Amino acid sequence: EIVLTQSPATLSLSPGERASLSCRASQSISGYLAWYQQKPGQAPRLLIYDASNRATGIPARFSGSGSGTDFTLTISSLEPEDFAVYYCQQRSDWPITFGQGTRLEIK
Amino acid sequence: QVQLVESGGGLVKPGGSLRLSCAASGFTFSDHFMAWIRQTPAKGLEWIAYITGSGDEIHYPDSVKGRFTISRDNTRNSLYLQMNFLRAEDTAVYYCARGPGSRSGSYVSWGQGSLVTVSS
Repeated sequence: EIVLTQSPATLSLSPGERASLSCRASQSISGYLAWYQQKPGQAPRLLIYDASNRATGIPARFSGSGSGTDFTLTISSLEPEDFAVYYCQQRSDWPITFGQGTRLEIK
Repeated sequence: QVQLVESGGGLVKPGGSLRLSCAASGFTFSDHFMAWIRQTPAKGLEWIAYITGSGDEIHYPDSVKGRFTISRDNTRNSLYLQMNFLRAEDTAVYYCARGPGSRSGSYVSWGQGSLVTVSS
């Protein structure tokens, strides 16, 4: 099973700052990585697919990068609505697995 | 617009069974693979079942293989999850999710979730 390790567990930043969230895979997953955002009481929402492609309707301040085992989700300038939990997910091999999440909180 | 609505959750005793349904609308159901994903505070998000658009390929993780069965009825635009031999650790919010195509991709749409509680 491919293990995804997200860091940090919690990130405390202020609106307007830049956020960088990391996801590391236990083996190469090529570019088969997605990022999701989840707010309290809501289902996850797809932000980025295949490492660097923004999903429909996702603002340009969200970007993804990486390949192989190391991936990054960057939010260029935080808006108040961006404070949430972020998960990465790989689809390179069965079973599909998710990271444990990074909580982005307001400083 | 795309809608996925889960139903069938509730309280069930250990060893019992439950069937979840997911009603889909707003897209051509048979053109998209579907999945069930569950979430708990302790384990986070866990993928538990996958089925292609035509239903010809199915996958499960070891944690539910042999106990859970995913199926779909493309004439009714519905996805199902039959859960047998339920355990306390199956307690979770269960989401149905849609892929962008018939076989592969990320989860582009999610339902609102259905809570399953396994307890005596």
